[in-house]
Amino acid sequence: QQPVQSPQAVILREGEDAVINCSSSKALYSVHWYRQKHGEAPVFLMILLKGGEQKGHDKISASFNEKKQQSSLYLTASQLSYSGTYFCGTPKANQFYFGTGTSLTVIP
Amino acid sequence: EADIYQTPRYLVIGTGKKITLECSQTMGHDKMYWYQQDPGMELHLIHYSYGVNSTEKGDLSSESTVSRIRTEHFPLTLESARPSHTSQYLCASSELGDQPQHFGDGTRLSIL
Repeated sequence: QQPVQSPQAVILREGEDAVINCSSSKALYSVHWYRQKHGEAPVFLMILLKGGEQKGHDKISASFNEKKQQSSLYLTASQLSYSGTYFCGTPKANQFYFGTGTSLTVIP
Repeated sequence: EADIYQTPRYLVIGTGKKITLECSQTMGHDKMYWYQQDPGMELHLIHYSYGVNSTEKGDLSSESTVSRIRTEHFPLTLESARPSHTSQYLCASSELGDQPQHFGDGTRLSIL
């Protein structure tokens, strides 16, 4: 039931781009994205409710391919503040399943 | 900014003690959640509630119990703590439906 994310970890230099993928073996009805900085609570980034939907704010955006049962998070021109662990998540049968997580580190 | 509070922030306690982790939110959210998260790992849902007097277990088996007597309050109790309960416990809340979850800062629990 748990979505699988790739890559598990990525290191970027400031200004570089990254893509984080979230895939499920079961149907995805919606996809949430959260970022958790070390020692802090997860913070909501965005939610995609429909297949084909794309959203974004600042330089972080996401897409949702319902047929392929996957979502991708795009970080462009990364900043030091983007460092943290990114989780996708999806509701199913009254539960909520977070993905396996992607650790992203941005270095100067 | 989300208004959801968890206490204590850290707890180190001996085996066999009864523990209650507190979670309160001031946003009037109907849905509340408890997640368990080991260091560097994913979050696993252990309990959730749709409103007063509603509690359900998550997929991850847990020996803890929860109650929801008031909308704003969702405490988690361990009757007899064991070292296997050592983990971080995160509380969250959201509006009903498929809505963003707002998290508290968590309780880091360590059972000796």
